[in-house]
Amino acid sequence: DVKVTQSSRYLVKRTGEKVFLECVQDMDHENMFWYRQDPGLGLRLIYFSYDVKMKEKGDIPEGYSVSREKKERFSLILESASTNQTSMYLCASQIGGRETQYFGPGTRLLVL
Amino acid sequence: DAKTTQPPSMDCAEGRAANLPCNHSTISGNEYVYWYRQIHSQGPQYIIHGLKNNETNEMASLIITEDRKSSTLILPHATLRDTAVYYCIVRFHSGGYQKVTFGTGTKLQVIP
Repeated sequence: DVKVTQSSRYLVKRTGEKVFLECVQDMDHENMFWYRQDPGLGLRLIYFSYDVKMKEKGDIPEGYSVSREKKERFSLILESASTNQTSMYLCASQIGGRETQYFGPGTRLLVL
Repeated sequence: DAKTTQPPSMDCAEGRAANLPCNHSTISGNEYVYWYRQIHSQGPQYIIHGLKNNETNEMASLIITEDRKSSTLILPHATLRDTAVYYCIVRFHSGGYQKVTFGTGTKLQVIP
């Protein structure tokens, strides 16, 4: 079974802090994604990566950056956390050329 | 990606079939219909996908109308663990990477 893990299930940070969210997949998938999920807005894509050191902006990249130094790991970085970044963050991975995405359990981030 | 429309919520008695509809009237010929679900506090989970033929797997059946403008996900014997938000999306297979755009889905409540 594909396994996608995220570093924390719950996280509380203060405004202005730098926040790292980590995602690891164990199936050698080429593509990885970061989404945020908010009530009434569904899932929105922040960034995705189709290879090591490659990244593409999604629909809402402002205030975020990403890093993919190794194939199995995709990190989401909030350079200076703000209260409007309080959300559920979901990571997903996908085999290149296939369409099914496998999601991690999510990280619920609260920024105070 | 074509837009999809789903009812916001549905109830189903435990043990009965749950039929979840989805309209995708602007679907193009090379777009697939995908279904995911998200159980509370977990990441989305892939269920099934299809192009024009009906599909069945261990989780569900997918019925796509002949004109492909709508589809129905069928959970043949709903259990309490099937209570979740169900998302219908359409997308074409590019052979590369692609974002997944989820709407707000249908919240299915399975009632004992």
